[in-house]
Amino acid sequence: NAGVTQTPKFQVLKTGQSMTLQCAQDMNHEYMSWYRQDPGMGLRLIHYSVGAGITDQGEVPNGYNVSRSTTEDFPLRLLSAAPSQTSVYFCASSYSPGRFGYTFGSGTRLTVV
Amino acid sequence: DQQVKQNSPSLSVQEGRISILNCDYTNSMFDYFLWYKKYPAEGPTFLISISSIKDKNEDGRFTVFLNKSAKHLSLHIVPSQPGDSAVYFCAALPMNRDDKIIFGKGTRLHILP
Repeated sequence: NAGVTQTPKFQVLKTGQSMTLQCAQDMNHEYMSWYRQDPGMGLRLIHYSVGAGITDQGEVPNGYNVSRSTTEDFPLRLLSAAPSQTSVYFCASSYSPGRFGYTFGSGTRLTVV
Repeated sequence: DQQVKQNSPSLSVQEGRISILNCDYTNSMFDYFLWYKKYPAEGPTFLISISSIKDKNEDGRFTVFLNKSAKHLSLHIVPSQPGDSAVYFCAALPMNRDDKIIFGKGTRLHILP
C-alpha cells in the first residue's frame, strides 16, 4: 500500500513550457485534490475531483488543467508555465474528507525560470 | 476573504508543557474542522478532526476544542514533545461540500528543550 505517489519530486521549467505532474493513489479513494503551498499563503486548492470523470475548480485554477479518467490517477497539467507557478504542489486523496481527512503525497517542488 | 484564520505565525513551547494552537473561522456553515501537521519537505499529515455538532474530540495527546459561539477552535498537545515541532494547519469542510477543504495559513510550533 503506497498511499499517494507524486512524480516528479523536483522539476525546473522554462517560462512557456508545459508539463504534467503525476498523482496516483492505491487506496480506492473517490476524492482527490491538488493544492499548492506558497510561503505565507498556506495550502490553496487548485482543482479537485469527487470521482472518475468528475472534476471541478478550486480557489486558484487558472493555468492548470486536470482530468480523472480512473479512480487511481489525477494528473495536473501546466499549460504554459509562468514564474508565478513556482511552488510546492501537493496531491491528496480521501475516502471521507471530514471524518478522516485527506492523505497527502510528499509533494512536487516546481521552479519556473 | 479568508474563512479560516490562524493569527499566530509561530509559537514556542517548553518540552513537557501544553501547546495550544488557535484557529478562528468566519463561516458558520462548516461541517467538520480538521488539524494537519507538516514537517519540511513532506506532505501534511492528518491529525484529528471534530464535527460541528461536538465541542471536544480527543486522541491521545491531542485534543481539539470547538467553541461555535466564538467561531473558534483550538488544538491542545499535552505533553509537548520534540517531534511535535512542525507547522500546524487548521482546516474546515463546508456543509454539503465533502471535498473542498479550506486551509488556514499555518502556525509553526517550536518545542524548546
